Amino acid sequence: QKEVEQNSGPLSVPEGAIASLNCTYSDRGSQSFFWYRQYSGKSPELIMFIYSNGDKEDGRFTAQLNKASQYVSLLIRDSQPSDSATYLCAGALDGQNFVFGPGTRLSVLP
Amino acid sequence: DGGITQSPKYLFRKEGQNVTLSCEQNLNHDAMYWYRQDPGQGLRLIYYSQIVNDFQKGDIAEGYSVSREKKESFPLTVTSAQKNPTAFYLCASSPAGVSHYYGYTFGSGTRLTVV
Repeated sequence: QKEVEQNSGPLSVPEGAIASLNCTYSDRGSQSFFWYRQYSGKSPELIMFIYSNGDKEDGRFTAQLNKASQYVSLLIRDSQPSDSATYLCAGALDGQNFVFGPGTRLSVLP
Repeated sequence: DGGITQSPKYLFRKEGQNVTLSCEQNLNHDAMYWYRQDPGQGLRLIYYSQIVNDFQKGDIAEGYSVSREKKESFPLTVTSAQKNPTAFYLCASSPAGVSHYYGYTFGSGTRLTVV
């Protein structure tokens, strides 16, 4: 069973701090990974994707991928209360469809 | 604006009843997907379709059925055989063959409750 694992949280950080969200996966052949943000009762929205080893930055968000360690992370700098949501990690693990992790609930405290 | 429209937003099902969830997209995407989300769990794939008139079962297809008669539409029927249908249902789409570099676009979801 190909899996994506995430700590369910909640992860609480003070406003202005860096939030670090982590994800591990089971399939070494995985090609790409996506981070989605999901507010309570809403559908997921794409934040970032990454498919090369290393870092990828977009505004306050940085995605990191380490294929040797089978590890993906999302850093949110200068966290805001509006960043409070569940963050889903998804990997293209089976060559066709994505496998989603259970999500990490982030709470940014004013 | 292009996007995916799911309806209804809320749906109530009586025991033994079949219900159909609508999903329509105007993004010209070939691939469409249905996921189920339960509290504290990730999205689980029910069915997916890469082209018109063809679809495949996902991880939890039992008790569900789909059709893909048009590129734009991918309705999901929750049958009476699905014993625990209360969940949040999400429809998604992507261009065929490049979803690994594109990701999915999601609809706004349908919350189904058994009464």
